[in-house]
Amino acid sequence: GAVVSQHPSWVICKSGTSVKIECRSLDFQATTMFWYRQFPKQSLMLMATSNEGSKATYEQGVEKDKFLINHASLTLSTLTVTSAHPEDSSFYICSASGITNEQFFGPGTRLTVL
Amino acid sequence: SQKIEQNSEALNIQEGKTATLTCNYTNYSPAYLQWYRQDPGRGPVFLLLIRENEKEKRKERLKVTFDTTLKQSLFHITASQPADSATYLCALETGANNLFFGTGTRLTVIP
Repeated sequence: GAVVSQHPSWVICKSGTSVKIECRSLDFQATTMFWYRQFPKQSLMLMATSNEGSKATYEQGVEKDKFLINHASLTLSTLTVTSAHPEDSSFYICSASGITNEQFFGPGTRLTVL
Repeated sequence: SQKIEQNSEALNIQEGKTATLTCNYTNYSPAYLQWYRQDPGRGPVFLLLIRENEKEKRKERLKVTFDTTLKQSLFHITASQPADSATYLCALETGANNLFFGTGTRLTVIP
């Protein structure tokens, strides 16, 4: 089956620093990648959708200058949380879809901002 | 406003019984409805998809129903096992290929 990986699986950083999270599709070409955020005991909330080679589409309320998304190849998308603050602490999950449109989810990245 | 509600935050059942989870939605017109399993600290894992013109879908011990009139989906796990303990999420897919998730139900199967 299709496999999606994320790196790192967890990260702790100081307030004000930037953190980059990678999402890779390991055995298929992902034309579209999605980034979600999940707070404790809450559901996944879609942050943005990115298509390879074009700018990401952000959901309402998500700051595009704070959450930088790059989808430079068909197997890699990155999410950079700039100037992170404690309220950005969350579980970030990516998913990838190819020709079938089915979304395959990564294992998630736990971000803790001190 | 748009809402996706799953009937309860937590559900405990005895091993061997059938677990029934509910997903209700308002102000959506989904093309598909999906169910996922999520274990703590992990990403969701796809279980079943049901289309708007399908009433029921089965896969091994899992059964999903979809009533677009009631705007409701039921997810059943028959002959439940402790290994089925997890959080189960319903998700609506609109024509734009975006998924909108419910809040999830944490199922615990007691041996």
